[in-house]
Amino acid sequence: NAGVTQTPKFQVLKTGQSMTLQCAQDMNHEYMSWYRQDPGMGLRLIHYSVGAGITDQGEVPNGYNVSRSTTEDFPLRLLSAAPSQTSVYFCASSYKVTGFGAQYFGPGTRLLVL
Amino acid sequence: AQSVAQPEDQVNVAEGNPLTVKCTYSVSGNPYLFWYVQYPNRGLQFLLKYITGDNLVKGSYGFEAEFNKSQTSFHLKKPSALVSDSALYFCAVRPREDSNYQLIWGAGTKLIIKP
Repeated sequence: NAGVTQTPKFQVLKTGQSMTLQCAQDMNHEYMSWYRQDPGMGLRLIHYSVGAGITDQGEVPNGYNVSRSTTEDFPLRLLSAAPSQTSVYFCASSYKVTGFGAQYFGPGTRLLVL
Repeated sequence: AQSVAQPEDQVNVAEGNPLTVKCTYSVSGNPYLFWYVQYPNRGLQFLLKYITGDNLVKGSYGFEAEFNKSQTSFHLKKPSALVSDSALYFCAVRPREDSNYQLIWGAGTKLIIKP
């Protein structure tokens, strides 16, 4: 199993540009989520999905969009990048029931918005 | 509001000494409790969880955590620290009645083990 994979590992954007962060998992997990990690602020939930075709907003959803067309993939789209979106982004997945919420994380995408 | 507190931003321990990283929570009911570790430039790794039963839970890399219901705490412990344990540690909590499976995260504690 590859686990949770994320691409790219690092990206530089200019203000106003758009991009998609990719996330995929091969563990057949129902639950997937996106977090951003900023110094001193821990992890903040952006969006999450409890299954294919179902998404919902987390704590900090503004400026981001997601979709879940398959169980495996959960891309995060930045609609118009802003410097405040400079952060490290993590994708995570888990089983809905048997995992009790224990999540598996990808390696992260480091995003710099100029 | 429900919250998780990790009162120490940083914990310094000499190699070979026991270590404790503290976590307290303010969540209704009997939540599920988790510890994760993050090594530099890496994603978070699951260490251990408390679901029910024995208050002392054993996890990866020799870590254990003690659940204390009356103090609403879930402190991470290790009897003898290694330099390789130096990392960022996160406590997380999931309310049992939360059907959306979301975790409430602490801000993290940086653990530094000195040789």
